[in-house]
Amino acid sequence: DQQVKQNSPSLSVQEGRISILNCDYTNSMFDYFLWYKKYPAEGPTFLISISSIKDKNEDGRFTVFLNKSAKHLSLHIVPSQPGDSAVYFCAASADQFYFGTGTSLTVIP
Amino acid sequence: GAGVSQSPSNKVTEKGKDVELRCDPISGHTALYWYRQSLGQGLEFLIYFQGNSAPDKSGLPSDRFSAERTGGSVSTLTIQRTQQEDSAVYLCASSRIRARLGTEAFFGQGTRLTVV
Repeated sequence: DQQVKQNSPSLSVQEGRISILNCDYTNSMFDYFLWYKKYPAEGPTFLISISSIKDKNEDGRFTVFLNKSAKHLSLHIVPSQPGDSAVYFCAASADQFYFGTGTSLTVIP
Repeated sequence: GAGVSQSPSNKVTEKGKDVELRCDPISGHTALYWYRQSLGQGLEFLIYFQGNSAPDKSGLPSDRFSAERTGGSVSTLTIQRTQQEDSAVYLCASSRIRARLGTEAFFGQGTRLTVV
């Protein structure tokens, strides 16, 4: 069973606009969440994380929001740049890291 | 090394042959994970090592898969009698502390395995 879900396989956004990537989870025991970015033929690279004691964490153009009651997190990228085009995975950590299936973001110049 | 290193980068093997995939984690990282990504799929957990504890093998898809971690560092994932459905990118990651304590995992570039 998929404990971390990304229901949008793909997303296209104009350069300069906001990209919003969504993620849902089912296990209320998760207390740390992460976003990874993956380019083709490369391993995923860590982007940003959030602890369950917070509802927002910001790092430059990237902000992660956590809604524990809804078991939902989102990644906002603003402004979006063509170099942001990649597959984005959300993850939750317990004994291991549970990953979603990824959302492919395309930023159109 | 500075990052997680995996070898080989690509491996083409004949159905029925055994393969070994190697992972060198970041020095000092106590936790090591193996995942695989099949075409069009997400990251599937395979196995997790933490320090000297018994590994969590709950994600291994069959008894043809095994892994070991020697000296708390290098890990080898072995697939025996490979099948075409084993074709995937196998990713290794390590983290400084165990995942439950709130940390990020660092991934290698992966080994693309193709079984023909």
